Amino acid sequence: AQSVSQHNHHVILSEAASLELGCNYSYGGTVNLFWYVQYPGQHLQLLLKYFSGDPLVKGIKGFEAEFIKSKFSFNLRKPSVQWSDTAEYFCAVSSGSARQLTFGSGTQLTVLP
Amino acid sequence: KAGVTQTPRYLIKTRGQQVTLSCSPISGHRSVSWYQQTPGQGLQFLFEYFSETQRNKGNFPGRFSGRQFSNSRSEMNVSTLELGDSALYLCASSLPGQQNIQYFGAGTRLSVL
Repeated sequence: AQSVSQHNHHVILSEAASLELGCNYSYGGTVNLFWYVQYPGQHLQLLLKYFSGDPLVKGIKGFEAEFIKSKFSFNLRKPSVQWSDTAEYFCAVSSGSARQLTFGSGTQLTVLP
Repeated sequence: KAGVTQTPRYLIKTRGQQVTLSCSPISGHRSVSWYQQTPGQGLQFLFEYFSETQRNKGNFPGRFSGRQFSNSRSEMNVSTLELGDSALYLCASSLPGQQNIQYFGAGTRLSVL
């Protein structure tokens, strides 16, 4: 069975700081990788996705993520965070053609103004 | 285009009762998945329906069931409610052939007293 680990449960940053959230998965086959964001009181929204090709993917709101196959990692980055980035971030993986998403436990990001 | 709509938004039930939650997917989406979100267990996959057929099921007891109608709307039922069933239940829909990009609704918050 596949699993997803997010190492940081709560990250606190000041505005303009750089962000990197870790995500590791365990699955040996072909995977699809996702980052979702859940802003306070809102529904889960897709931030970015990786299916194949260029391992560096860009998403909405200036976020990007890098897929490193050898490390089974898909870390999320943003060069300069804003107060509005305060939210919970979830890494998720699906394998092959399966539509079932396996989520990490989430990282709560708090950005101080 | 309207997003995924879940009703009701909030529910309060007592132990032993049963509950039915409803999900209307984005127009044209034929796959509907259900997830349970709790502070302790995070986001866990319940089941997925496509063309009125359950295609995949997570590791939940038989008290959790679902169905999908010909218009792709889906319902989820939980019988003999337990305190531990208190959670946010999320529905997600996706287009066939669009790999696994899932779009989530706002969820139904179920409280079991």
